Amino acid sequence: NAGVMQNPRHLVRRRGQEARLRCSPMKGHSHVYWYRQLPEEGLKFMVYLQKENIIDESGMPKERFSAEFPKEGPSILRIQQVVRGDSAAYFCASAPGLAGRGADTQYFGPGTRLTVL
Amino acid sequence: GESVGLHLPTLSVQEGDNSIINCAYSNSASDYFIWYKQESGKGPQFIIDIRSNMDKRQGQRVTVLLNKTVKHLSLQIAATQPGDSAVYFCAELLGANSKLTFGKGITLSVRP
Repeated sequence: NAGVMQNPRHLVRRRGQEARLRCSPMKGHSHVYWYRQLPEEGLKFMVYLQKENIIDESGMPKERFSAEFPKEGPSILRIQQVVRGDSAAYFCASAPGLAGRGADTQYFGPGTRLTVL
Repeated sequence: GESVGLHLPTLSVQEGDNSIINCAYSNSASDYFIWYKQESGKGPQFIIDIRSNMDKRQGQRVTVLLNKTVKHLSLQIAATQPGDSAVYFCAELLGANSKLTFGKGITLSVRP
């Protein structure tokens, strides 16, 4: 059973370009979470999605950032017109989302390290 | 507001000794807590979890203790090994299928 997959692992963009980060959840998981980690810091929640629905985007910047989790395919975190402050590691986590013990345990992918030049 | 914090930024232990990593949380309504381990260049790895209706849970070489009275969480690692060297995060969750709130992390360094 493959774990959470993220690609690319490393992404370099120049200021003003767009960044697209992809996340494929674990098999059987229907809940996806995106977190951002700055150097020497903990992870900060950005957005929580289920298939075709954004459940909680309270941690997402109001501008330039968007996320989707389509019926088919991976979840996408999109950052438009990147700035240097967007440089960070972006992690995706997935959870089964079913009732019962372990339903909400989040398992993390390896992350995408975004560098904005 | 919600916050999860760790008391010490670094912890150095001798190989074979037991390690104790502490964490304080401020939201008394949180009902689920998880310890994660993060190695350099990797994503957080689930170690052990505990629900608020429990005060202790044991895994393989690890034990998590929860003291709701003082809102304190600890991770105990028995017979610490070099492979345990990593950054450890505690995280809390309020309600099912909601976001995790992480602390800043503590670095565990194991001396040979």
